[in-house]
Amino acid sequence: AQSVTQLGSHVSVSEGALVLLRCNYSSSVPPYLFWYVQYPNQGLQLLLKYTTGATLVKGINGFEAEFKKSETSFHLTKPSAHMSDAAEYFCAVTLNDYKLSFGAGTTVTVRA
Amino acid sequence: GAVVSQHPSRVICKSGTSVKIECRSLDFQATTMFWYRQFPKKSLMLMATSNEGSKATYEQGVEKDKFLINHASLTLSTLTVTSAHPEDSSFYICSASWWLAGGPEQFFGPGTRLTVL
Repeated sequence: AQSVTQLGSHVSVSEGALVLLRCNYSSSVPPYLFWYVQYPNQGLQLLLKYTTGATLVKGINGFEAEFKKSETSFHLTKPSAHMSDAAEYFCAVTLNDYKLSFGAGTTVTVRA
Repeated sequence: GAVVSQHPSRVICKSGTSVKIECRSLDFQATTMFWYRQFPKKSLMLMATSNEGSKATYEQGVEKDKFLINHASLTLSTLTVTSAHPEDSSFYICSASWWLAGGPEQFFGPGTRLTVL
């Protein structure tokens, strides 16, 4: 079975500063990894995903994540935070059956 | 990209009534759909996996007689909350799965806010 741990339930950054959200996974086989963003009262939007190949994955809105197998991590970064990045972020993992296991989520607030 | 819709987006009902929520994949055929429940400030909790033409698979602790799921076609799954009570108030989100760009992917609906009075 696979699982995901997101370190830090809340992250507060200044506008223009680096955003770093941490995600570690456990899986017995190479997983597929995802980062989703959720704005209040909305569904989830895919930011990026890792399947195979290049370990540095670029997504929408300037986000990127790096798959590090040796560290079982898939941390999400954005070089410069924008006010519109304030939202809830979820890391998720699946194997081949489409069933997602989600982390607990990280709330990002952006200070002007 | 793939679009999943949910209807209604918001519903308020009286205790004891039943509420049906529809989930549609608008531009692709999804063999599998998922239903989630989300409590305030919490992550998504998988309720059930819905496959077209077969019975849904419910997660442990989810009452299948209370949360009826029907997946009648490749583009439509419905969740009916039967005899709703205030504790069923929640945000319900569906998703539809597809194999895209070398891996599985779920596309999420916008969610339905259910309030039971």
